Amino acid sequence: AQKVTQAQTEISVVEKEDVTLDCVYETRDTTYYLFWYKQPPSGELVFLIRRNSFDEQNEISGRYSWNFQKSTSSFNFTITASQVVDSAVYFCALSEAKWTGTASKLTFGTGTRLQVTL
Amino acid sequence: DAGVIQSPRHEVTEMGQEVTLRCKPISGHDYLFWYRQTMMRGLELLIYFNNNVPIDDSGMPEDRFSAKMPNASFSTLKIQPSEPRDSAVYFCASSPGQTQYFGPGTRLTVL
Repeated sequence: AQKVTQAQTEISVVEKEDVTLDCVYETRDTTYYLFWYKQPPSGELVFLIRRNSFDEQNEISGRYSWNFQKSTSSFNFTITASQVVDSAVYFCALSEAKWTGTASKLTFGTGTRLQVTL
Repeated sequence: DAGVIQSPRHEVTEMGQEVTLRCKPISGHDYLFWYRQTMMRGLELLIYFNNNVPIDDSGMPEDRFSAKMPNASFSTLKIQPSEPRDSAVYFCASSPGQTQYFGPGTRLTVL
């Protein structure tokens, strides 16, 4: 069975601080995908990034960066110089990948609520 | 481009009533997923379709829930009869493969 653990329930930071959201996963699959989604106060789920299990390169997109370490089954998300607009609940998710081009159910973590204040 | 469209956005109904939630996926996406979000259980998959065919409905709570996808551009999730414990946000998501894109959700309240 797949499992995603986000141990940090809530994090509060002051604007411009850096913050890292942790994600640890469990799966028996050798091929899988990892995702991060953002849920702002308005409630929608916004896709941020997808990583497949064969690609351990870290990724940076603006103020966002992701660190994927297969050895520790972790896929952590860092926001640099946080802003008030980053306040949201962030979900890490995992899906199996039977073969390229297919989709499968997402197993979500419980989410981390990030509060950024002035 | 239009994203995933869900209707209604909010639904308040009384216990025992039938509720129908609707979803229009992104054009060209072969997969459609229904998820439910509650405080107690978080985000959980109810059912998903590939090319209009149900693939995994193991998350459907019980016989009161049913989902259909009569064509590539429309899906429904029906609850009959509804119960207060069905109160949740129901999300529809579509995917061309791998990444899922979510609709805005339907907030269902069953009194």
